[in-house]
This record gives sequence, structure tokens and C-alpha cells, in this order.
Amino acid sequence: DAKTTQPNSMESNEEEPVHLPCNHSTISGTDYIHWYRQLPSQGPEYVIHGLTSNVNNRMASLAIAEDRKSSTLILHRATLRDAAVYYCILRGIYQGAQKLVFGQGTRLTINP
Amino acid sequence: EPEVTQTPSHQVTQMGQEVILRCVPISNHLYFYWYRQILGQKVEFLVSFYNNEISEKSEIFDDQFSVERPDGSNFTLKIRSTKLEDSAMYFCASWRPTRGSYGYTFGSGTRLTVV
Repeated sequence: DAKTTQPNSMESNEEEPVHLPCNHSTISGTDYIHWYRQLPSQGPEYVIHGLTSNVNNRMASLAIAEDRKSSTLILHRATLRDAAVYYCILRGIYQGAQKLVFGQGTRLTINP
Repeated sequence: EPEVTQTPSHQVTQMGQEVILRCVPISNHLYFYWYRQILGQKVEFLVSFYNNEISEKSEIFDDQFSVERPDGSNFTLKIRSTKLEDSAMYFCASWRPTRGSYGYTFGSGTRLTVV
């Protein structure tokens, strides 16, 4: 399974943008970049995914480097409810029943 | 929005007892998974299930574990003889590859405490 590297923790203030980085230097051409988050005492929750182009949805934006060796999850205006562990995960394009491999993720703290 | 439902939310059992953790995946999903998370540790894959059979299992998923989809709606994880180290949160997930929806949906989990 291709590996990702994320900072252990980050801190931001409420109503400010948050940029969560992820390095995946060994990504293959058929790997999608997925982001999940885990709120306290909850199961993981899908946030966004992308392959090459930047992506936006109602939860966040995903900026993917041109060489695809890194990506950044952007929360445009953080709220206290965004405090969670954020996971960056690579998943092959030929998905089938392929599992998700979780790392330690980035623990995001939001200050009021 | 459709949800994955897990019951019970918390189960306490004595070492050596059998437990069954239950999940109701989203109704039109095709792939089903169990993960676990020991307190303070990573979310770990246990098993994937598709077309009424196991697609992949991890080293954790030994002979003490089994999964079933008995009636087309429930998806269960059985641990035959629980050990103290089985204490963890167990998450069920389901997925259907559809255009615009590539994320798994996870349940809120069952906290299993083995005493």
C-alpha cells in the first residue's frame, strides 16, 4: 500500500482557513487521493477525493500538486465542529473491495 | 442522508465469551467492511465482504473471527472466544461505486469491552 505522511497535529482558529498537508511521494498513476476525518467518538467520515485536478465539495477543497506527490486539504472557514483527526489515504483506481489503510492522521484543534 | 447503523453502541463481555456485533449497511451498497480501533491507536482493517464472501482479511482476522450477511440487510461480526486484547471500537462500513460517490460510509461503532 502506498504511504502518506501527515503532520501529527495542527491548530487553527475558528472562522479561519485551514490547510492540511499530505505527502505521498510514492503515489502511482492509478492512485486516487482520499481524505477522511474522524470526529471524537465517531467513525471515520468521507471528506473528499481527487486524482489530478483540484476538487471542491460542500465540505472542503482538495489541492493536488502538479507532480501529485503532495496534496492539501483546505477547510475554508473552520468551525469548532471541524476539530477531528484528518486522514489522507491513497486508493487504487481499480477499486473493487479494496480496503482503506489508515495512518495516524493529523489531529486538528480549532480554537474559539 | 443514508446511514450505516451499528448495534449495540457499547458491549461488555467476559473473556472467553462469544460476541456478535451487528451492522445494517446502506441498502443498495455492495461492499462491506469491518475495521477496529484500539483506544489511542490507528483504525485497522479487519475484513472486506462482497458477493456473499470474504474478499480480503487482515492478519488480525484469525479463526476466532467470522462475518455473515444472513438476510440481505444485516452484516455481522462474530468473535468466538473474546480476549482482553479484543477490547476496541469496531466500525462497520459499506460502499457502492457510483458516479459522484466514492467514499465509504462508516457507522458510529460498537465499543467492545472484554473483562
